[in-house]
Amino acid sequence: EAGVAQSPRYKIIEKRQSVAFWCNPISGHATLYWYQQILGQGPKLLIQFQNNGVVDDSQLPKDRFSAERLKGVDSTLKIQPAKLEDSAVYLCASSFREFSAGVVVGELFFGEGSRLTVL
Amino acid sequence: SQQGEEDPQALSIQEGENATMNCSYKTSINNLQWYRQNSGRGLVHLILIRSNEREKHSGRLRVTLDTSKKSSSLLITASRAADTASYFCATDEAGKSTFGDGTTLTVKP
Repeated sequence: EAGVAQSPRYKIIEKRQSVAFWCNPISGHATLYWYQQILGQGPKLLIQFQNNGVVDDSQLPKDRFSAERLKGVDSTLKIQPAKLEDSAVYLCASSFREFSAGVVVGELFFGEGSRLTVL
Repeated sequence: SQQGEEDPQALSIQEGENATMNCSYKTSINNLQWYRQNSGRGLVHLILIRSNEREKHSGRLRVTLDTSKKSSSLLITASRAADTASYFCATDEAGKSTFGDGTTLTVKP
């Protein structure tokens, strides 16, 4: 079974430039997540999709970050314009789980991440 | 804001010793999961424990959950150099997983 694919693995840009990251989740996984992981910290949720709808984007800095999941499969995360503090690893994860009002249980499958350096 | 907090932040042991790391959280949860992250890689799921479970085993891993104290522990027995990694707990609440800042484990050969 193929895992979660992310690209690019590494990206170096100047501040105020734009960047886009791509994620292809495991086939059949309804839920897709983008996490930001700053060096030395744990992953912080940016946005959660179920199929092609947004479940939670409360932590997404919407003035500069945007994300979409067209057709409920792969997803892109864009940063425009980038700031120095955006330097981090951007992790994509997918899960079988579907969000509902009840208890949901399921592990997250992570990609290798996209490491962004903003100079 | 972070829900889970791991303790200690860093742990260094000799190969063959046991490693114990703890996770505390603030609010009620549906379940709690532990993940491992090798340097420069993505996170890998280790074990999930539901809120109505107290202990779970998987190979050399033992996880406990005390909902009254809002805490969990991960025990790795007979550690190996390959266990060197960062370990994160993630609390699941309303379909969202929230991670702590992790424990960095170094196992010396």
